[in-house]
This record gives sequence, structure tokens and C-alpha cells, in this order.
Amino acid sequence: QKEVEQDPGPLSVPEGAIVSLNCTYSNSAFQYFMWYRQYSRKGPELLMYTYSSGNKEDGRFTAQVDKSSKYISLFIRDSQPSDSATYLCAMKNSSASKIIFGSGTRLSIRP
Amino acid sequence: EAGVAQSPRYKIIEKRQSVAFWCNPISGHATLYWYQQILGQGPKLLIQFQNNGVVDDSQLPKDRFSAERLKGVDSTLKIQPAKLEDSAVYLCASSSGQGMLGTGELFFGEGSRLTVL
Repeated sequence: QKEVEQDPGPLSVPEGAIVSLNCTYSNSAFQYFMWYRQYSRKGPELLMYTYSSGNKEDGRFTAQVDKSSKYISLFIRDSQPSDSATYLCAMKNSSASKIIFGSGTRLSIRP
Repeated sequence: EAGVAQSPRYKIIEKRQSVAFWCNPISGHATLYWYQQILGQGPKLLIQFQNNGVVDDSQLPKDRFSAERLKGVDSTLKIQPAKLEDSAVYLCASSSGQGMLGTGELFFGEGSRLTVL
């Protein structure tokens, strides 16, 4: 079993829809939960991060962590064509430890 | 602030040939990483440097891959001899290691896309 599981998609939704992206994990020691966004032929860039459990909101983006279920989510409200990208979840134990990436979900927003 | 620079962007070689990739991290970032990203997969860490010392190279196939970071700034990643399964994007990233997220905030370059025929 992989440490981090992520549905690869592709996921295609119309502009303006709410998007939900999810990851599950097996290592209960993970404390830092990140979402990276990767546009085609570019390197990933950090979108948001959450420490331990709870929610975090940043504009149209909301990150949720449920440690009891070992499940994290990224919600995108009022999705835009510019949100079309691959979204990678990533996790680590402590501030200095190695990051484990999910395989990424490819998202396409239709105008 | 200049980002992470990588070259070449694209490289096509025959199997058993050698190839080298170069990375210049963000100025002042002590930690440098090389990741391998195979199509449809997430990045996999190959090697992590802290200044010019190796912190983690547990997933580096040392029989064919080597990396160095002389003077704690630029880095090169070499593959010799290349295999078909080495076809991937090689991503360099750097981190200051500061802030709450520590080494979780990685700044990636655009990657070097390798095709092995």
C-alpha cells in the first residue's frame, strides 16, 4: 500500500463549479499537509498547506484535514479555466522531514 | 527574485548513453533537491543536499545516477548509462528551510525532460 493515495483523474468540470480533490494516507505520523499545483510542462508550486487537523481558507481555495480518517481535501469554489492543472497532495512528519507526494489529479475546467 | 534555473529543458539520448542536468537554486537556499517525475506520477525524491552535504540519497540508483553540489550552490545530476525507464522529468527544487513549513515549501524549476530511446 502506498503511503499517499490520490485519484489520478482526469477530472473535467464546467467553469464556475465547485471542485473537490482528495487524498488518503496511511502514516498517522504525518503532521504537515500540502497542496501543490503543477501546470503543464512546469514545476509544481505550493498552493496551500495545513498543519495537523482542521480547515484553512485562501480565497477560492479551502484545504481540509481529517486525521481520524487519514483523509485530506482541497475545494475550489467558482472554478476558472486558469485552475486547469495537476494538483498534487503532499505530506510530511515534521518541519525537517522528507515530503511524500501523491500521484496527482489532473483537473480541467471547461469554459 | 530569480527562480530555480535548470538546463537543458529537453534531452533525447539512446540507451546506455550518458546525460547531465544542471540546477542553480534560489540564492540563499541551503537545501537543494533532485526529484524524478515519471509521466502520470508524483515527484519522487532522488537526493537532498543541505549546503554541499548529502542528507538523503536513499532512493538514488547509485549504480547509474550520481549528483554533486560543489560549493553548496549549483548542482549537477548525471545518469550513466541511461536505461529506457529513466525517461522522466528531472525536477530540481530548493528550500530555505525557514518558517513553519520548514522544508515543506519547495521552489521547483521547470524541469529537464529526458527521453531515452
